[in-house]
Amino acid sequence: EIVLTQSPGTLSVSPGERATLSCRASQSVNSDYLAWYQQKPGQAPRLLIYGASSRATGIPDRFSGRGSGTDFTLTISRLEPEDFAVYYCQQYDTFGPGTKVDIE
Amino acid sequence: QLQLQESGPGLMKPSETLSLTCTVSGGFISSSSYYWGWIRQPPGKGLEWIGMIYYDGTTYYNPSLKSRVTISVETSKNQFSLKLSSVTAADTAVYYCARRSSESEGNWFDPWGQGTLVTVSS
Repeated sequence: EIVLTQSPGTLSVSPGERATLSCRASQSVNSDYLAWYQQKPGQAPRLLIYGASSRATGIPDRFSGRGSGTDFTLTISRLEPEDFAVYYCQQYDTFGPGTKVDIE
Repeated sequence: QLQLQESGPGLMKPSETLSLTCTVSGGFISSSSYYWGWIRQPPGKGLEWIGMIYYDGTTYYNPSLKSRVTISVETSKNQFSLKLSSVTAADTAVYYCARRSSESEGNWFDPWGQGTLVTVSS
């Protein structure tokens, strides 16, 4: 069973700054099957990125994903106030524990 | 656009069977290439996949829950359902239903229902 580890657990960033989130798999995975989600308090998760690097419909281009093998990253180039949330990576039926992005 | 909505009781007692239904609108549950899944999230914690079903009734379950889970589909009503038996306080969570893409498309979940909180308490 593949385990996904996300780091950091919490990332404190100022609006307008860049945020880089990491997702590491316990063994090599097919990047076609790596997705990222954003979850705001009281809301359901929302698909951001699929196939490691493809943005879902309606997702702003300040969100980008990359990676292969065991290491994947989600980058938010310039944080907007609405981007402060928890971000999860997912591969098949496994989710990572999440990274909380909060305001510094 | 496609929307999913969970429904079911919000409060249960230990040992009872949790029963939730997800109603799909704006599309057909019998669409090929998609599965229909359940995911849960205990308060303040992360996401746990419960299982999923294809429109033909083929099911896949999380091994850790398999002995207690049954997912079924009713295409005529555009609904699919979750049953979880012998619940305990550890099953207290927000339960989400979501569409799951096929493996060839990447296995992502989108869209999700708004979620429904199920609390297990005596």
